[in-house]
Amino acid sequence: DAGVIQSPRHEVTEMGQEVTLRCKPISGHNSLFWYRQTMMRGLELLIYFNNNVPIDDSGMPEDRFSAKMPNASFSTLKIQPSEPRDSAVYFCASSLGFEQFFGPGTRLTVL
Amino acid sequence: TQLLEQSPQFLSIQEGENLTVYCNSSSVFSSLQWYRQEPGEGPVLLVTVVTGGEVKKLKRLTFQFGDARKDSSLHITAAQTGDTGLYLCADSGGGADGLTFGKGTHLIIQP
Repeated sequence: DAGVIQSPRHEVTEMGQEVTLRCKPISGHNSLFWYRQTMMRGLELLIYFNNNVPIDDSGMPEDRFSAKMPNASFSTLKIQPSEPRDSAVYFCASSLGFEQFFGPGTRLTVL
Repeated sequence: TQLLEQSPQFLSIQEGENLTVYCNSSSVFSSLQWYRQEPGEGPVLLVTVVTGGEVKKLKRLTFQFGDARKDSSLHITAAQTGDTGLYLCADSGGGADGLTFGKGTHLIIQP
């Protein structure tokens, strides 16, 4: 079975550009999570969805960040405009219970 | 806001040695999970502990949950090079909620 799929795996962009990260959760899972990982702050929850509905977006750092889940098999995390401090690895995870399954992450570099 | 502190931050030992890493919380865990993350990949769940005083074993790994449910330890016996990675503890909240992570222990097992 395919795990959580994220694309792109690497993204390099310039400050001010729009960035869209994509996630396909494991089929049948009803919860989806977006996390961000940096050396300074570790792994932080940004937002999560349950049955495609956003439940808690308190971790979204600024209005420049937005996330959508139009259906059970797809989610996006958008940053507009991007800034150098947004450089990090962004993980998507999905679950059907206590165990979360993480994707391989998208490494974002904003120059 | 719950704070999870992990120690040590970095640990490098020789293959065959034993080691223990720790996780302490500023508040009582709902339930505690340990994850391992390898370079370029997302975290993978090792174990979930719920009951104070609980001990779980996974081959050479022994997980202990403190009686007061505010601390935990992970002990590895006869470490192998394949144990190298970032070990993260997390509070899994109410089950379907997002995870709160510590910053992790970077473990390197040298041959």
